[in-house]
Amino acid sequence: TQLLEQSPQFLSIQEGENLTVYCNSSSVFSSLQWYRQEPGEGPVLLVTVVTGGEVKKLKRLTFQFGDARKDSSLHITAAQPGDTGLYLCAGAKTNFGNEKLTFGTGTRLTIIP
Amino acid sequence: KAGVTQTPRYLIKTRGQQVTLSCSPISGHRSVSWYQQTPGQGLQFLFEYFSETQRNKGNFPGRFSGRQFSNSRSEMNVSTLELGDSALYLCASRALLLGGELFFGEGSRLTVL
Repeated sequence: TQLLEQSPQFLSIQEGENLTVYCNSSSVFSSLQWYRQEPGEGPVLLVTVVTGGEVKKLKRLTFQFGDARKDSSLHITAAQPGDTGLYLCAGAKTNFGNEKLTFGTGTRLTIIP
Repeated sequence: KAGVTQTPRYLIKTRGQQVTLSCSPISGHRSVSWYQQTPGQGLQFLFEYFSETQRNKGNFPGRFSGRQFSNSRSEMNVSTLELGDSALYLCASRALLLGGELFFGEGSRLTVL
């Protein structure tokens, strides 16, 4: 059972357009992270959101954590070819001093120059 | 500082064989996690080690095992390989057991024939 569903699974848009990627779950997470993975490399952390309703901006990227801490979104403004990659959300659950990260299904984004 | 190093980067095995993958974390990081990444299942958590102790385990069969050494280096082993074990195996390290950024290696791509 996949706890974190991302949509869309694939997205291909023109350079300069805006886009939003969604990460949804029925579970509550203590925090949520977004990673980007490029071909031949491991995922790299973009941001961590902790508080319900939290919004974080990283240049043209805006991340939001849902009020109930069950979902998150990533909005990219004026997409650039360098934004191309696999975007992964990861929800953290803490139990008895252990933290387990569950990764989402991923969104493969292609920005066409 | 040096990143997470995984060896080997690529390997080909046949069904029934076993394989051992190695991961050297970032210096000072005591937590090492292993993930399996496939196109169909995405990034699936295998296990996490902290100070030589397995702290978390995913839902994989007993053929998948791991260990961590006193210098925080980690190995994972897969015995009696099956075709479905073909995947990119990613190792990630972090400084603490709770919270913080996961730093991923470039992965070991295993092909089982």
